[in-house]
Amino acid sequence: AQSVTQPDIHITVSEGASLELRCNYSYGATPYLFWYVQSPGQGLQLLLKYFSGDTLVQGIKGFEAEFKRSQSSFNLRKPSVHWSDAAEYFCAVGARAAGNKLTFGGGTRVLVKP
Amino acid sequence: NAGVTQTPKFQVLKTGQSMTLQCAQDMNHEYMSWYRQDPGMGLRLIHYSVGAGITDQGEVPNGYNVSRSTTEDFPLRLLSAAPSQTSVYFCASSNPGQGYGYTFGSGTRLTVV
Repeated sequence: AQSVTQPDIHITVSEGASLELRCNYSYGATPYLFWYVQSPGQGLQLLLKYFSGDTLVQGIKGFEAEFKRSQSSFNLRKPSVHWSDAAEYFCAVGARAAGNKLTFGGGTRVLVKP
Repeated sequence: NAGVTQTPKFQVLKTGQSMTLQCAQDMNHEYMSWYRQDPGMGLRLIHYSVGAGITDQGEVPNGYNVSRSTTEDFPLRLLSAAPSQTSVYFCASSNPGQGYGYTFGSGTRLTVV
């Protein structure tokens, strides 16, 4: 069965500083990998996705993520955080069959200090 | 395009009542799913569908029913509400293939008292 672990429940970062969110997954084959962002009271917005090919993927809002097969990781990064990046971030792994079912990590809440 | 539309946005139920959460998408997506979100647990899959007339269970299906009579609609039925079903429910849709991720609705916040 597939699973996703986000080790950090909360992260506080100063505005302008860099951000890295960790994600580790368990899946029997090459997975689909996703990062979603959720602002308070809102639905989930897709930041970026990995399916194959280049292991460094670029997303919206200046985010990028790197797929490392040997470490079963898909960490999300942003070089310089803006106050509007305060939100909850979810990593997810998708099954390549059976409806692309998503399994989510528990989420990381990011707080941005001025 | 409206994307994925969920109704209602908020609902309070008494224990034992039944209700249907509505979900509609206008993107002609084949796949649709229902998730529930609880603090610290991320989102968990309740039921999903890979096309009209085809549904299957996810991780936490007990107490919920679904049907998919059309491509556009995927309602979620709570048969006899329990306090443990207090949660935020999200509907999502996607197309098959590696180029797609799921598009999520804005959610329904359900409280069972």
